[in-house]
Amino acid sequence: QVQLVESGGGVVQPGRSLRLSCAASGFTFSSCAMHWVRQAPGKGLEWVAIISYDGNNKYYADSVKGRFTISRDNSKNTLYLHMNSLRGEDTAVYYCAKEELISGTTVYFDYWGQGTLVTVSS
Amino acid sequence: DIQMTQSPSSLSASVGDRVNITCRASQSISSYLNWYQQKPGKAPKVLIYGASSLESGVPSRFSGSGSGTDFTLTISSLQPEDFATYYCQQSYSFRTFGQGTKVEFK
Repeated sequence: QVQLVESGGGVVQPGRSLRLSCAASGFTFSSCAMHWVRQAPGKGLEWVAIISYDGNNKYYADSVKGRFTISRDNSKNTLYLHMNSLRGEDTAVYYCAKEELISGTTVYFDYWGQGTLVTVSS
Repeated sequence: DIQMTQSPSSLSASVGDRVNITCRASQSISSYLNWYQQKPGKAPKVLIYGASSLESGVPSRFSGSGSGTDFTLTISSLQPEDFATYYCQQSYSFRTFGQGTKVEFK
């Protein structure tokens, strides 16, 4: 069965860095685009970033562009989110999500991890 | 950027009620619209993809309709396990979520 397990969250001071990981299993990781989605406490879902199946294409939400970097290691079935210059507004549960592609164009998130909490505070 | 606006932000309903949640895109997104359900402390779960296709394993009381800029999620007969927050999400250009609709017990 498909499993996505995030790790690396914790408490970090403003301006510092953190790296999140998402270990994938139960599917062909190297064939799937992957995403990070976050949710601030008591708030809605915010899409953060996408990486193509081969890692060659990456796109980011404006709120994190230039500070966050998404990457993947297909040999380790692992997705990463490198977060620099962290701010209070980056405090959230971070989910990794697998993208399903239907009929060549329809895409949606069919599996999600359990999430890892990042708290940015001094 | 494409903005997604859901209405209402919250609603109160009873078991057995028919519930409609609407989602409007700031520009046409064809049928690239998905719906998710999220319960407290849990990851979201997909219900509908491509505006109207029911994800495998999702009860048939859930349905989706619409295209272009206006979309609707319908729960035909609300069940106790359906009290949750619902999000629409566009996949036409990058990804954007609506702000969510919380379905509460009346």
